[in-house]
Amino acid sequence: GNSVTQMEGPVTLSEEAFLTINCTYTATGYPSLFWYVQYPGEGLQLLLKATKADDKGSNKGFEATYRKETTSFHLEKGSVQVSDSAVYFCALSDQAGNNRKLIWGLGTSLAVNP
Amino acid sequence: DVKVTQSSRYLVKRTGEKVFLECVQDMDHENMFWYRQDPGLGLRLIYFSYDVKMKEKGDIPEGYSVSREKKERFSLILESASTNQTSMYLCASSSRIRSTEAFFGQGTRLTVV
Repeated sequence: GNSVTQMEGPVTLSEEAFLTINCTYTATGYPSLFWYVQYPGEGLQLLLKATKADDKGSNKGFEATYRKETTSFHLEKGSVQVSDSAVYFCALSDQAGNNRKLIWGLGTSLAVNP
Repeated sequence: DVKVTQSSRYLVKRTGEKVFLECVQDMDHENMFWYRQDPGLGLRLIYFSYDVKMKEKGDIPEGYSVSREKKERFSLILESASTNQTSMYLCASSSRIRSTEAFFGQGTRLTVV
């Protein structure tokens, strides 16, 4: 079945460092891919998405490119801030079947130190 | 501003109690979801609903039931709470057209003692 694998955390960086959080997936069909972020004490919110191969999603300085050849959707940011400290979830939609559900990675915790 | 509101941020209940977790959304979304979030296990789908009075089991429905009598409200029911149901519960909603762009509530931290 469809699945998402994220790199394990926690990830700890200094402010202004470069961030990569790896995400790979297994899926039939052509799913859409998503990154959600959960700030401390809050629910999840959509950070960015890509709906087809080679699409790049971007928001708030974060980027991720849908790579079908490597089945990956890695999240990157060139210069992180303390306010980026959160848990990041990679997810894919089940395009081949029930389009109402998301398949989730386990989440990667990011801590950015000043 | 779109909103998904969960009735409680924190709840403490006793083993065997019947527990109701309420979720209301103001976006006229057709789809609503209940997840639980546990360390090391990520988000796991308990139940979801794609219309009023409709429901489907997710990945871990055992010990839970749901109710959707009105479009804006989706309730999660723990028929007889147990300590292994201590968790963070997250409600989400999405529209039929953009079904995988989910909006989440702030979560309810439930402790069963």
